Amino acid sequence: GAGVSQSPSNKVTEKGKDVELRCDPISGHTALYWYRQSLGQGLEFLIYFQGNSAPDKSGLPSDRFSAERTGGSVSTLTIQRTQQEDSAVYLCASSLGGRAGGYEQYFGPGTRLTVT
Amino acid sequence: KNEVEQSPQNLTAQEGEFITINCSYSVGISALHWLQQHPGGGIVSLFMLSSGKKKHGRLIATINIQEKHSSLHITASHPRDSAVYICAVRSRGSQGNLIFGKGTKLSVKP
Repeated sequence: GAGVSQSPSNKVTEKGKDVELRCDPISGHTALYWYRQSLGQGLEFLIYFQGNSAPDKSGLPSDRFSAERTGGSVSTLTIQRTQQEDSAVYLCASSLGGRAGGYEQYFGPGTRLTVT
Repeated sequence: KNEVEQSPQNLTAQEGEFITINCSYSVGISALHWLQQHPGGGIVSLFMLSSGKKKHGRLIATINIQEKHSSLHITASHPRDSAVYICAVRSRGSQGNLIFGKGTKLSVKP
């Protein structure tokens, strides 16, 4: 079946503009994660959705970042007033569930964001 | 100090060599993941384990919960194994997000 898809694959934006990144998880996966990988850095957690529960936003670096998940499926990560330090690859992953014990996470191809 | 430490950071091997990548963590965990990231950037989950050992083809992953340590082994390495290998843990009590190591860049020469 189809894997996790993300769009756009690349996004170049000017400093100060808002951007929206989209993630389509694997059908039936209730858990959805957003991660960020900055150049030369490791992956860092941003936000996590599990079913109808309140999202875990503990990884969002500032209030310029927000995300929503509509209908328990597609998710959009929004970055307002982008800064150059926001340049990174934004990765989405999904899994069957997210409870303790865990499930394998399936990663999308990522969106490479460049803020000029 | 990072909660997840990997060693080595970089590893160069000759084709056919046995490879070991190590991961140590400092938090209580419910699961540990080994991920592979190819130069194009795509990430693939190799293993998820919470105890013992798992094997898939030429890859073997082990974990020692008491010592908070995991190893990823590659037998009969091949140039196509060249990638960044990332250890990630789900801390006990977390809602599901992973804490990542910085990765080990493996290059296998023919």
